[in-house]
Amino acid sequence: KAGVTQTPRYLIKTRGQQVTLSCSPISGHRSVSWYQQTPGQGLQFLFEYFSETQRNKGNFPGRFSGRQFSNSRSEMNVSTLELGDSALYLCASSMPLAGGQDTQYFGPGTRLTVL
Amino acid sequence: AQKVTQAQTEISVVEKEDVTLDCVYETRDTTYYLFWYKQPPSGELVFLIRRNSFDEQNEISGRYSWNFQKSTSSFNFTITASQVVDSAVYFCALSEDTGRRALTFGSGTRLQVQP
Repeated sequence: KAGVTQTPRYLIKTRGQQVTLSCSPISGHRSVSWYQQTPGQGLQFLFEYFSETQRNKGNFPGRFSGRQFSNSRSEMNVSTLELGDSALYLCASSMPLAGGQDTQYFGPGTRLTVL
Repeated sequence: AQKVTQAQTEISVVEKEDVTLDCVYETRDTTYYLFWYKQPPSGELVFLIRRNSFDEQNEISGRYSWNFQKSTSSFNFTITASQVVDSAVYFCALSEDTGRRALTFGSGTRLQVQP
């Protein structure tokens, strides 16, 4: 079974631009979560999508948004990029179980550099 | 609020040594889930283990073992006879039983295994 895939793997943008990252979950997984990893803040939860609906959101500004398609693939968008948005963005998929007991499987990440 | 603490920032050992990575967590929930992930230099988070709060049995998988103690809110990870391939950053994470699929991660422990 193929793992979680993320595209692109690397991106370089300039301040003020916007960016879209893509994530394809493991086949059969319907929940997709996004995390941001930076040296200063570590791994932080961005949001989670299930059945094309955002169910949970972390403490990030509205410039960070996402969506999920009917095939469970997900995209996240960051508008008006700031230098502090430079990070590794990780996508994870899971087969939703009751409560929070799913195991999330992560993709290789997209490394975004904002100049 | 939930919190995960990995006090060891970096550990360096020589191959074949045993090493224990510490993880202490805080949560108000009575039901919760604990995870360990490995992040090699490639960046992808690799799932290692999930433990439910109601199951305090220790687990061994090859050279890996986990010691879960609710009384001390700890979920420690031991690698026996470490190998160079074990070199990575290891993260402990917590998920509460609320359906909110948001992992709270510790800051990670970088393990360097020297040949």
